[in-house]
Amino acid sequence: QSVLTQPPSVSAAPGQKVTISCSGSRSNIGNNYVSWYQQLPGTAPKLLIYENNKRPSGIPDRFSGSKSGTSATLGITGLQTGDEADYYCGTWDSRLTAVVFGGGTKLTVL
Amino acid sequence: QVQLQQSGPGLVKPSQTLSLTCAISGDSISSNSATWNWIRRSPSRGLEWLGRTYYRSKWRNDYAVSVKSRITINPDTSKNQFSLQLNSVTPEDTAVYYCARAGDYDFWSWGQGTLVTVSS
Repeated sequence: QSVLTQPPSVSAAPGQKVTISCSGSRSNIGNNYVSWYQQLPGTAPKLLIYENNKRPSGIPDRFSGSKSGTSATLGITGLQTGDEADYYCGTWDSRLTAVVFGGGTKLTVL
Repeated sequence: QVQLQQSGPGLVKPSQTLSLTCAISGDSISSNSATWNWIRRSPSRGLEWLGRTYYRSKWRNDYAVSVKSRITINPDTSKNQFSLQLNSVTPEDTAVYYCARAGDYDFWSWGQGTLVTVSS
């Protein structure tokens, strides 16, 4: 059972928008930055969002991140079939003194 | 551009020790702004952070509670690499293991992944 809670799956049609939620507590999301990762089948995870809402160079602005209180959200607009992947949120937990991840959300682009 | 190259066996017997190495290029393991991490992914647990080593005036380690009694992560400054040792493995330790570089706890660079199966 993961410290951060994500929906197991989300789906939407090509061109549409989807959001993925990540819920935590004061000891993790509430007091630390959130990152988001995309893991395509058979590949290593890739950093999509860091420090809640910043995108590394090369990540398209279709991907966005936000945080409010003890929850964070990843948004993806203009969905493409190539976006089908598992998405994970992650942050530091000050009480556990450990990095914690969500359980992952499988995105299906119908 | 930081690159991480993993090496180590893909099959380990129950009760034995899992050992993996991660060679770093494009950065120094002694960097004061990086942490060097091991993470695994399994169908049952998703992504699980195992621990890290980093240098801040001296070498430091942090480990996940779930593996704290069994894990060691060591830096090797002479080879610019770091290693993972996980003792007393069981089939539940079967997973894809990744090494990763983080600025703090955001993982910018990842190794290619190593599938480690625990089986007799």
